[in-house]
Amino acid sequence: ETGVTQSPTHLIKTRGQQVTLRCSSQSGHNTVSWYQQALGQGPQFIFQYYREEENGRGNFPPRFSGLQFPNYSSELNVNALELDDSALYLCASSDPIAKNIQYFGAGTRLSVL
Amino acid sequence: AQSVTQLGSHVSVSEGALVLLRCNYSSSVPPYLFWYVQYPNQGLQLLLKYTSAATLVKGINGFEAEFKKSETSFHLTKPSAHMSDAAEYFCAVSSNFGNEKLTFGTGTRLTIIP
Repeated sequence: ETGVTQSPTHLIKTRGQQVTLRCSSQSGHNTVSWYQQALGQGPQFIFQYYREEENGRGNFPPRFSGLQFPNYSSELNVNALELDDSALYLCASSDPIAKNIQYFGAGTRLSVL
Repeated sequence: AQSVTQLGSHVSVSEGALVLLRCNYSSSVPPYLFWYVQYPNQGLQLLLKYTSAATLVKGINGFEAEFKKSETSFHLTKPSAHMSDAAEYFCAVSSNFGNEKLTFGTGTRLTIIP
């Protein structure tokens, strides 16, 4: 059984660009959540996807958007990058029975210059 | 609304000493509570969870936590610290229905003194 995998590991972008981060959920998990972790802070909830539909959103602007695919993998898209978007982006998946128990990937570190 | 407060952004203990990391929560509904550990340049690993069963929860690597509703606390302990315990620890809360998002504390960095 594979865990949650995220790609790429690291990414460098410049202000105004767009970025797509990818996440493969753990086998059997149909719910994916995305979090942003700024340096020295705890993770902040961005949004959650369940069966390809958004199932809750945190306090992030619309330029943060996502998708979930039929195989339950997911993408996080960020448009018009700002310097403050520099952070570790974490994806977590959970299974249909124990939705509250989330298993995290290793994250994608995004640097915006 | 839910929130978590972790007292002490940095904690140092000697190898072999007791580890105590504090977490207090606020929740308007019965909470689910979690402790996660994060090693440098890695994601979050689930240490243990409280989901309304036994109030004393045992996790991996010898850690345990006790849910105390009267004190709204969920402190993490380990009887004897090991060098490999050095990491960042996050307490998190979620509800048991609806959107199961996790709300995290700001973290406690644990340093082990040889």
